[in-house]
Parts: sequence; structure tokens; C-alpha cells
Amino acid sequence: DIQMTQSPSTLSASVGDRVTITCRASQSISTWLAWYQQKPGKAPKLLIYMASSLESGVPSRFSGSGSGTEFTLTISSLQPDDFATYYCQQYHSSPTFGQGTKVEIK
Amino acid sequence: QLQLQESGPGLVKPSDTLSLTCTVSGGSITSQNYYWGWIRQTPGKGLEWIGSISSSGSTYYNPSLKSRFTISVDTSKNQLSLKLTSVTAAETAIYYCARQGVVTPYNWFDPWGQGTLVTVSS
Repeated sequence: DIQMTQSPSTLSASVGDRVTITCRASQSISTWLAWYQQKPGKAPKLLIYMASSLESGVPSRFSGSGSGTEFTLTISSLQPDDFATYYCQQYHSSPTFGQGTKVEIK
Repeated sequence: QLQLQESGPGLVKPSDTLSLTCTVSGGSITSQNYYWGWIRQTPGKGLEWIGSISSSGSTYYNPSLKSRFTISVDTSKNQLSLKLTSVTAAETAIYYCARQGVVTPYNWFDPWGQGTLVTVSS
């Protein structure tokens, strides 16, 4: 299995902050990476696929970058609706997910 | 708009068989030969891919999981199903179904069903 490691596990931030979440793969996955947002009691929602492609309908303040083993999800200006948990997922081989990063109010 | 809805028993006894169904609406499960996956979420292990199936019936399972899972598709009902035999308390989780891409099950998941909580307890 390819292991996905996210950092930090928890992030405290304020509305308007620029937020960056990192995801590292245990081996190269090219750009076969997706990012999801999950709110309590809800299913994960796709934000980004192919490492940097924004899913239709997702606000442009979300962006993804990276290739190989290191990836980032950036929220350019954090909005109240963005407080949630974020997961990365690789699909280079059998899909695996990161452990999640909770973005909480500072 | 494509929607997925999981259904099944909320409570299962240890060593019993768990059966879940995912009903797809707003589109055909046979459309473009998409893959359809099952994922579960637990506080301890997080999100875990269980396996996927194409509308033609090709199946792929997580090699890290023991082979107690069976995924099937019923195109006449626009449904996919998940069976897990000999359940243990460790398999208490929220179970999700989701659509993937075409050609390969190695893809992202979108959209997801709302999930169904399954508790394994006597």
C-alpha cells in the first residue's frame, strides 16, 4: 500500500487567513492525487483531482499543487464555510487516504 | 443530478454477515462503464477503500483487507451491493458508496452517498 501522511493534523486559523495543508506519499504517485472536504455528519466532497484540477463548482480560493511525493492544498482566504476536515487520496494504485487535517477556528 | 443512497441494517451481530445496498438515481449505473466503489470510515483507521466494481461486473478489492468482502451490481435495479462475512466489532463504521471514473478503479470518488452507520455489537 502507498501510505499518505498529512500535516498538520489540526490547524487553527482565522477567517481571511491563507491556509496550506501538506500531503506526502510513501512513493511517487505522479499527480494521481485528489483532495476532499468533509464536514461533521456529511460525506467527503471532492475539491481537487489530478493534484491541481479544480472540481466544477468549487470556489477558486481552493488550489492544489505538487507531484511525485509532495502535495499541497491551499485555501487563499479562509471563509467561515471552510472550517472542516480535509483529506488527500492517492489513486496511483489501490486508493488510500491521508489521516485528515482538521481546520478549526482560532 | 446523480445521487447515491446507501441502505442496510444499522446493527449487526459479531460473526454475522453484513449486507448493504447502494441505490443510484439520476443516472444509469451502466452509463459509460463507470466504476463504483465502497469506502468505510472509522475513528481509528480513517477512510479506507474496500473495493470497486464496474457496471460490467469487474471487481477490484483492497489487497490489505481480508477477502471477506463481495461487491456486486444489479443493473436492472440500478444498485450495487456489499457483503461482508464474519463481521467483528472493529468493522463498526460509516459505509459509503461513490462513483469513480471509467477504465480503471484507480480513480477519485465523486459523488458520494450520504453514508450509513453500521454498528457491530451483540
